[in-house]
Amino acid sequence: GQNIDQPTEMTATEGAIVQINCTYQTSGFNGLFWYQQHAGEAPTFLSYNVLDGLEEKGRFSSFLSRSKGYSYLLLKELQMKDSASYLCAVKPGGFKTIFGAGTRLFVKA
Amino acid sequence: EAGVAQSPRYKIIEKRQSVAFWCNPISGHATLYWYQQILGQGPKLLIQFQNNGVVDDSQLPKDRFSAERLKGVDSTLKIQPAKLEDSAVYLCASSPALNSPLHFGNGTRLTVT
Repeated sequence: GQNIDQPTEMTATEGAIVQINCTYQTSGFNGLFWYQQHAGEAPTFLSYNVLDGLEEKGRFSSFLSRSKGYSYLLLKELQMKDSASYLCAVKPGGFKTIFGAGTRLFVKA
Repeated sequence: EAGVAQSPRYKIIEKRQSVAFWCNPISGHATLYWYQQILGQGPKLLIQFQNNGVVDDSQLPKDRFSAERLKGVDSTLKIQPAKLEDSAVYLCASSPALNSPLHFGNGTRLTVT
């Protein structure tokens, strides 16, 4: 079967750094995506990893270890507007994209 | 570029009624997806089209849900008859290639009473 696990909720302070973890067990692997979803809005693309290592994009970085079935999203210099759900999604091979349940991040002042 | 367009934004129906949702993907995007997102959960794939052919509909409840993509562009998703558990946001997404990120529309929030 296909399974993607993320923590349900996290809380962090404005200006801090937060790491959101994602572990997956899938029948194959063809890439991992992170999306941001504000309440009542559609998900928007943040990052894509297909090879092991760290991808950096401004305040956001994403890491992948294929051998461990593990990824994390790192958010630096947190801002109040970063309060949202963060969805880990995996392409197990073929055509599908499977989403985890998402991690709700609360940023407090 | 114009984004993925969906309508309606909100719909309230009674159980056993029927409902249809419409999606217009980004121009040139060959792949179109319909996802169901229940409150507090991640999106669940219902059906995926490549041009006008279905490539995955393994999680589509085919006794009540149907979808089509005419001429490989617009798509409609229909539920008939609706059940209470169909209350969710229905997201349409498109992508230009199979390994590209998905571009989502704003979704249709369906409430079944």
